[in-house]
Amino acid sequence: KAGVTQTPRYLIKTRGQQVTLSCSPISGHRSVSWYQQTPGQGLQFLFEYFSETQRNKGNFPGRFSGRQFSNSRSEMNVSTLELGDSALYLCASSTGGTASYNEQFFGPGTRLTVL
Amino acid sequence: GQQVMQIPQYQHVQEGEDFTTYCNSSTTLSNIQWYKQRPGGHPVFLIQLVKSGEVKKQKRLTFQFGEAKKNSSLHITATQTTDVGTYFCAGPRRGSQGNLIFGKGTKLSVKP
Repeated sequence: KAGVTQTPRYLIKTRGQQVTLSCSPISGHRSVSWYQQTPGQGLQFLFEYFSETQRNKGNFPGRFSGRQFSNSRSEMNVSTLELGDSALYLCASSTGGTASYNEQFFGPGTRLTVL
Repeated sequence: GQQVMQIPQYQHVQEGEDFTTYCNSSTTLSNIQWYKQRPGGHPVFLIQLVKSGEVKKQKRLTFQFGEAKKNSSLHITATQTTDVGTYFCAGPRRGSQGNLIFGKGTKLSVKP
């Protein structure tokens, strides 16, 4: 089985721009979670989608949004980028249901740099 | 709010020495998961513990879940350079439907 894929792998943007990141989960996985990883804050949960519905949401401003398509692929969007948004954005897929009982399979991440 | 804390934040060891990282939760957890992230890589699932007092072994790695299900530990015997990376524990996020809260991780470096 192919693993979780994320595109693009690297991205450089300037303040005020917006960005869209994409995640393709493992085939058959219905749950996709997004995390922001920075050296100081560790893995911060952004949101989780299950069967095209946002099931859980972390404490991030409304500039961060996401969606999931019928094929379980997910996108996240960050509008009006700020310098502090520079981070590694990871998506993770799982079979779904009560995801905390299922291991999460992480993608390689998208490294976003905001200048 | 709910917190999952890990100590130490960093650990430097000589190859062959043992290593232990501790995970403490502010709430009782129904289960705990451990992940490893190699430098430049992404977190990879290692194991899940569910039962109070559970101990599981994977070769040189020993995982324990506390009796009160609020703490856990990962012990590596005789570290090798391949053990380098950051080890994260994660538990169910309270009030969520199947979502995890991660500790900030313990970064292990091994000197050959």
